[in-house]
Amino acid sequence: AQKITQTQPGMFVQEKEAVTLDCTYDTSDPSYGLFWYKQPSSGEMIFLIYQGSYDQQNATEGRYSLNFQKARKSANLVISASQLGDSAMYFCAMRGPGTYKYIFGTGTRLKVLA
Amino acid sequence: SAVISQKPSRDICQRGTSLTIQCQVDSQVTMMFWYRQQPGQSLTLIATANQGSEATYESGFVIDKFPISRPNLTFSTLTVSNMSPEDSSIYLCSVDLTGANVLTFGAGSRLTVL
Repeated sequence: AQKITQTQPGMFVQEKEAVTLDCTYDTSDPSYGLFWYKQPSSGEMIFLIYQGSYDQQNATEGRYSLNFQKARKSANLVISASQLGDSAMYFCAMRGPGTYKYIFGTGTRLKVLA
Repeated sequence: SAVISQKPSRDICQRGTSLTIQCQVDSQVTMMFWYRQQPGQSLTLIATANQGSEATYESGFVIDKFPISRPNLTFSTLTVSNMSPEDSSIYLCSVDLTGANVLTFGAGSRLTVL
């Protein structure tokens, strides 16, 4: 069965510093997708970044990058130059082959300090 | 970019009543997905709604409790029936707008059942 684990319930980071949010996953499928979403207090889910299991390079989207360590089954999100607006819940998710069913982790609440 | 609109954004409901949540997408999509996020929890897929066929429900979710309609390729509704306080959650609809297997979520409907 597929599983996503986020071990950091909460994180603090100083404004303008970088922060890494951890995510490990478990699947027996060779083909899968990994995602990070941001959920502000308003409740909406905002897509940040995607990594496919066969992608050779780590995904990057602006200040977001995904540190994909396939052998270790980890997909950590790195946010560079943190901003106050980055304070939110962050969810890691996985999708198996041929399905839109996402398995979500329990989330990490990030607080950026001025 | 395409937009997903959900209504209501929030509501307070009485135990035993039912509430219908609407999801409108401004482009045609084959599948629409309904997720639930209970307080302090992660997201769980309720069902997948295809136009012209019955929705496919995930384990633990039944049609009598969460009837879904999908009358056309841009619209879906989720009804939460005979509500109890345990149904207090954020309900989110989502679609794949890009064909890249990345889900975009609506802003969510935050329901509180008293």
